[in-house]
Amino acid sequence: NAGVTQTPKFQVLKTGQSMTLQCAQDMNHEYMSWYRQDPGMGLRLIHYSVGAGITDQGEVPNGYNVSRSTTEDFPLRLLSAAPSQTSVYFCASGNPGETQYFGPGTRLLVL
Amino acid sequence: EDQVTQSPEALRLQEGESSSLNCSYTVSGLRGLFWYRQDPGKGPEFLFTLYSAGEEKEKERLKATLTKKESFLHITAPKPEDSATYLCAVYSGGYQKVTFGTGTKLQVIP
Repeated sequence: NAGVTQTPKFQVLKTGQSMTLQCAQDMNHEYMSWYRQDPGMGLRLIHYSVGAGITDQGEVPNGYNVSRSTTEDFPLRLLSAAPSQTSVYFCASGNPGETQYFGPGTRLLVL
Repeated sequence: EDQVTQSPEALRLQEGESSSLNCSYTVSGLRGLFWYRQDPGKGPEFLFTLYSAGEEKEKERLKATLTKKESFLHITAPKPEDSATYLCAVYSGGYQKVTFGTGTKLQVIP
């Protein structure tokens, strides 16, 4: 039981490049979400999904895209990277009103 | 708008020196308050959920309490391995309604 896994662990991008952050969970949770964590700010919700084929925007969705084709996987796409997207990204699995399980994070640097 | 304020921002304790971390919140109908522990370079790890004022939960040297306006995380006789950032979050219902505080960074000196 791996819980929540994320890849890559670290990535450097140039402005304008695109990439996909991968997230997978093996707990059969319907609810999954993506957060970003920046210094001096709390975790902020980017996008979330309540099940395969169902996604919605969180607090800071601009510049990001998501899809949910299976219960296990919830990738986050950066369409055209900007320096403001330099952050640490966490994927979480589980209902926010109960217990959320977080992945180890992806550290992204956009130059 | 829901708000969570954690204090202090950083706390340095000697091993064995008990203390408390504070989480003050403003929320439109609290459905749950969460405490997480986050080690450097890792994701948050769930500790406790509190649902109503007066509720208390314990785990090893940690005890979380809840009032109508704030929550405390009491650390009794801390050890160096308790060093981490402790995050507080409130849930007010709905899929988007989880608000995190900025955390308290705890350092326990041997």
